Amino acid sequence: KNQVEQSPQSLIILEGKNCTLQCNYTVSPFSNLRWYKQDTGRGPVSLTIMTFSENTKSNGRYTATLDADTKQSSLHITASQLSDSASYICVVSDRGSTLGRLYFGRGTQLTVWP
Amino acid sequence: EADIYQTPRYLVIGTGKKITLECSQTMGHDKMYWYQQDPGMELHLIHYSYGVNSTEKGDLSSESTVSRIRTEHFPLTLESARPSHTSQYLCASSEKTGTGSNEQFFGPGTRLTVL
Repeated sequence: KNQVEQSPQSLIILEGKNCTLQCNYTVSPFSNLRWYKQDTGRGPVSLTIMTFSENTKSNGRYTATLDADTKQSSLHITASQLSDSASYICVVSDRGSTLGRLYFGRGTQLTVWP
Repeated sequence: EADIYQTPRYLVIGTGKKITLECSQTMGHDKMYWYQQDPGMELHLIHYSYGVNSTEKGDLSSESTVSRIRTEHFPLTLESARPSHTSQYLCASSEKTGTGSNEQFFGPGTRLTVL
């Protein structure tokens, strides 16, 4: 069964600190993995995308890693800001269908305190 | 910022009412999707469309229906709303890029509460 598991479920950090969010998946055949940021009451917005051959991708203070062998990914946030408070969702796409089906994790709810 | 819009953003209605959630995109995308999301849970695909006059049911069974008469418009209708339909509904669209990334762009969502 194709699944995406994220940890931790929630995380509270102080402004300026770094944090790392984890994602494990069993989706096969694998196409790509995205990290989305979803602010409360809003739709998800893509932060990074990685394909099978990529193991690191950065977008400003966000750095995602991918280990396709162990089927694990992480999202590292550097020097956190209050605006980073949101849910971060790991999304894996398969290449076994023309739809390009997406499999969503439940997200990690990050809260940044001043 | 993606050019995909949803209205209304918030809706509170009584049981038995018929409602339509609107979704429009101006990116010319062929594929469109409806997801249902409960607090702290993952998004569940309830409907999708490959293009005009194409509609399919998703992974999660839903009593809602959709239509795709125009490329840019993908409304979702509930004939008789019930409290179990209370949820957030997210619309998305995508077009396969040259790299095959198939990125989906999401609207802001409609928060539906059925009393």
